[in-house]
Amino acid sequence: GESVGLHLPTLSVQEGDNSIINCAYSNSASDYFIWYKQESGKGPQFIIDIRSNMDKRQGQRVTVLLNKTVKHLSLQIAATQPGDSAVYFCAETPSGGGNKLTFGTGTQLKVEL
Amino acid sequence: KAGVTQTPRYLIKTRGQQVTLSCSPISGHRSVSWYQQTPGQGLQFLFEYFSETQRNKGNFPGRFSGRQFSNSRSEMNVSTLELGDSALYLCASSVGQGQQTQYFGPGTRLLVL
Repeated sequence: GESVGLHLPTLSVQEGDNSIINCAYSNSASDYFIWYKQESGKGPQFIIDIRSNMDKRQGQRVTVLLNKTVKHLSLQIAATQPGDSAVYFCAETPSGGGNKLTFGTGTQLKVEL
Repeated sequence: KAGVTQTPRYLIKTRGQQVTLSCSPISGHRSVSWYQQTPGQGLQFLFEYFSETQRNKGNFPGRFSGRQFSNSRSEMNVSTLELGDSALYLCASSVGQGQQTQYFGPGTRLLVL
């Protein structure tokens, strides 16, 4: 039958806990990866990016890990806060791909008080 | 510095009509990309413009077109609207081409009846 929508995986965490959001990518030529956060009614907001010559990159309360061997990306959020509740997308682009981003389906993060 | 702005924010059209959406990038940004977001297909790349030239195009029919002006502002046009064109249309800007960090606007919500 016709799909009514993408099924977004949901991650529920307690306030103050650490969150880990995972993303698998398929294009082995991708070498630039970005995480975006999208709150209801808003456009995606840039969180952090990483290039394929790195395995790890840290920002404020966030860390991105890249495993090129298994084509896996993760976003770790430390001390998760209610304001972190949103849909998180990973995006990728290959070398020579310009600014054309391929997005994952997204993960809904719910922070419980 | 002001962010990416998109106008209008909401739009209702009927099948067969055409629509033009506008995007003003962040000051100093010369690349503008457009994305369509729907519950069924997620976020999909439409096209990218840099220096008034289309640099990249996604897999959308010719009814979807765009252009960029000398001040880097961009418009996208959808002709002969179909019900399936109902979506959130997002514009993103970056400083230049080639795997640059893209910053998104709030989007234009288009409903086709």
